[in-house]
Amino acid sequence: EDKVVQSPLSLVVHEGDTVTLNCSYEVTNFRSLLWYKQEKKAPTFLFMLTSSGIEKKSGRLSSILDKKELFSILNITATQTGDSAIYLCAVGGSQGNLIFGKGTKLSVKP
Amino acid sequence: NAGVTQTPKFQVLKTGQSMTLQCAQDMNHNSMYWYRQDPGMGLRLIYYSASEGTTDKGEVPNGYNVSRLNKREFSLRLESAAPSQTSVYFCASRVGAVRETQYFGPGTRLLVL
Repeated sequence: EDKVVQSPLSLVVHEGDTVTLNCSYEVTNFRSLLWYKQEKKAPTFLFMLTSSGIEKKSGRLSSILDKKELFSILNITATQTGDSAIYLCAVGGSQGNLIFGKGTKLSVKP
Repeated sequence: NAGVTQTPKFQVLKTGQSMTLQCAQDMNHNSMYWYRQDPGMGLRLIYYSASEGTTDKGEVPNGYNVSRLNKREFSLRLESAAPSQTSVYFCASRVGAVRETQYFGPGTRLLVL
């Protein structure tokens, strides 16, 4: 059975800290791993990592994929209160859907 | 550019009532999805439509039906709502088989009493 496991489930840090969010997966026919940020409403897309692109960076956010060990991490440096959100990790499923982990709730305190 | 839109934003139903959640996308995407999100459960697939004219069951289809009305619109119907269907419902779309990224609507919060 395909599954995605994220850790930790929740995390509280102070502004300026660096955080690392973890995502491990088991899926047949791996194609891609995606990270989303969810604030009040819809998940918004952050990164997609594939076999041909195992590291992505955008501003203070970066992510790597380890296909051998079947995990990914999402790093956020110099955190700000606006980074407070639930971060979702997902992998492509056999039905064309995304299989999501339960998410990591990040709270950044001023 | 609206992206993916959903109506209504919030709805309260009594057990046994029916309703239809509407979803539309203006990105000319082929595939559309319905997920539900419950605390501690993550996002789970209810139904999907890989292309216009096709629909298939996902992980949790019981109690729901869908209609892919045209390429833009994909509706989710609850024929006889139950308290277990209290959830936040998200519609999503993607280009198709080539690109995996899905884009989500703002969600519909449903409370069944």
